[in-house]
Amino acid sequence: GAGVSQTPSNKVTEKGKYVELRCDPISGHTALYWYRQSLGQGPEFLIYFQGTGAADDSGLPNDRFFAVRPEGSVSTLKIQRTERGDSAVYLCASSERPRYEQYFGPGTRLTVT
Amino acid sequence: QKEVEQDPGPLSVPEGAIVSLNCTYSNSAFQYFMWYRQYSRKGPELLMYTYSSGNKEDGRFTAQVDKSSKYISLFIRDSQPSDSATYLCAMAGSGANNLFFGTGTRLTVIP
Repeated sequence: GAGVSQTPSNKVTEKGKYVELRCDPISGHTALYWYRQSLGQGPEFLIYFQGTGAADDSGLPNDRFFAVRPEGSVSTLKIQRTERGDSAVYLCASSERPRYEQYFGPGTRLTVT
Repeated sequence: QKEVEQDPGPLSVPEGAIVSLNCTYSNSAFQYFMWYRQYSRKGPELLMYTYSSGNKEDGRFTAQVDKSSKYISLFIRDSQPSDSATYLCAMAGSGANNLFFGTGTRLTVIP
């Protein structure tokens, strides 16, 4: 079946701009996660949704980052006033049960110039 | 100190060799241990998933967890050039919602 999809695959933006990154999870998966992976590092947790609600947003680095999942399926990660330090690959994952078996999408490579 | 430590390599082996990849961790609450494979410019792909201590085998891959030493391993037998990738260990505690990853070990299998 179809895996997790993410769009766009690449995004280049100027410092200070607003960006939206989209994730479409595996059909039927109720849990959705966002991670950020910097060059040469492992993914770092940002936020977790169970259904429509953000069950754990403890990984969001600051209030410029926000994510929504209004209908319990597709999720959008929103970054305001982008900074060069936000440049990374943003990964989305989804899971059914158990939560530890998370399936990742290909990621969105964000470059802030 | 990071919660999960992993030697970034790089590691180069000849085709057919046995590969050993390892991670250590400091959080004794971790109960679930995963290995992911990540090809260049792709998302991580779940390889194996183990709960608590013990061994798990899947084809050419064997995962081992030693909770007393806070040490996990992934062994790849009869390594193939197609195994060339970055291998990430990941862990989670019981009831936790997020995974803690190592930095990844970059493996190259030379034909």
